[in-house]
Amino acid sequence: AQRVTQPEKLLSVFKGAPVELKCNYSYSGSPELFWYVQYSRQRLQLLLRHISRESIKGFTADLNKGETSFHLKKPFAQEEDSAMYYCALSPILNYGGSQGNLIFGKGTKLSVKP
Amino acid sequence: NAGVMQNPRHLVRRRGQEARLRCSPMKGHSHVYWYRQLPEEGLKFMVYLQKENIIDESGMPKERFSAEFPKEGPSILRIQQVVRGDSAAYFCASSPRGEQYFGPGTRLTVT
Repeated sequence: AQRVTQPEKLLSVFKGAPVELKCNYSYSGSPELFWYVQYSRQRLQLLLRHISRESIKGFTADLNKGETSFHLKKPFAQEEDSAMYYCALSPILNYGGSQGNLIFGKGTKLSVKP
Repeated sequence: NAGVMQNPRHLVRRRGQEARLRCSPMKGHSHVYWYRQLPEEGLKFMVYLQKENIIDESGMPKERFSAEFPKEGPSILRIQQVVRGDSAAYFCASSPRGEQYFGPGTRLTVT
């Protein structure tokens, strides 16, 4: 079964501390993995995707196919990072080149304290 | 570009009434996706549409739910004879080809 698991419902860290939001997935093929973020009173937006291998707002995520994980990391958390973070997967190049449906985890609420 | 628009933002319906949720994709986007988020849950895929076509409705409940994306106008998610369990946030996303851009959602409350 296709599934995305985010084991932590809430993660609380102090400003300047490292942060790691965990994501594990279950999928039989080769999925594309994403992290989405939702700041307070804002819409869901893409943070990063594994195929681009970018670092956005200091966040990185490495796809580990052996462990089927895609953990999100940042070495020094900032207060403005406080938000809901969702890990998601999609089959690559489904439906004639367009991304198909996304399968989301339940999300982790990150709280960065001053 | 104003982004994906959804209306209404909040919708209250009594049990048995119909709910119509609208989604206007970003300009130039021909792919629309609907997701539902129940309390304490992640977003769950419902349906994927292109103009005048349903591509994938594997996440849609078999009864009472329907979706369309006409040649002109917004995409509509329609829920007939709503029940309390339909209370949720409904999100629409649009895509040109690849990355999905999300709307602000419609929060449906069934009383």
